[in-house]
Amino acid sequence: DIVMTQSPDSLAVSLGERATINCKSSQNVLYRSNNKNYIAWYQQTPGQPPKLLIYWASTRESGVPDRFSGSGSGTDFTLTISSLQAEDVAVYYCQQYFTTPWAFGQGTKVEIK
Amino acid sequence: QITLKESGPTLVKPTQTLTLTCTFSGFSLSTAAVGVGWIRQPPGKALEWLSVIYWDNDKRYSSSLHSRLTITKDTSKNQVVFTMTNMDPVDTGTYYCAHWAYDDSPTFGVTPRGFDSWGQGILVTVSS
Repeated sequence: DIVMTQSPDSLAVSLGERATINCKSSQNVLYRSNNKNYIAWYQQTPGQPPKLLIYWASTRESGVPDRFSGSGSGTDFTLTISSLQAEDVAVYYCQQYFTTPWAFGQGTKVEIK
Repeated sequence: QITLKESGPTLVKPTQTLTLTCTFSGFSLSTAAVGVGWIRQPPGKALEWLSVIYWDNDKRYSSSLHSRLTITKDTSKNQVVFTMTNMDPVDTGTYYCAHWAYDDSPTFGVTPRGFDSWGQGILVTVSS
């Protein structure tokens, strides 16, 4: 089974500053036939279900602000919030869907410094 | 607009079987390139993927829970039913169903994207 490991577990960032979350897959998740990495990123605010932010490692879901960006390929991926806003306080999860069983990372909690 | 809602018992006893129903609208599980998945979240902990069923009735399960899980669909009712046997207190948590989305492009064909719509979740407590 593929294991997803996120780092850090939590981070505190000042408003307007950059937040960077890392996600490492135990196996390659690049689907060679279409050159897409099967990685999604979700945001979960307190008391709410997760919300899809990014898919194929770097494609923003419709309606997601452009301060959210995803990058990486193969086994190493990053979610970046370029200028943290108060409404971005949440737990962020990566997910691999390259092969079942699908797996989520353990989550990264983003707070305001 | 896609909506999903989980329903079922909020309290089950140890060793009992949990049966949850996901009732959805805005899509059909008889249409190609659609799926419905189940994900759970113990209180204060991370998301855990459990199962998915596709439009063609292909079903996949968590490796560690495979022997306890069953997923079925009723396309006429727009429902997906999820069962987990032999419940234990460690199975306490919020159970979500979610729509598994695909993108269809001329270049790459049908390609999975992620869980793009989620139900609000149902908190299931396992206790005697």
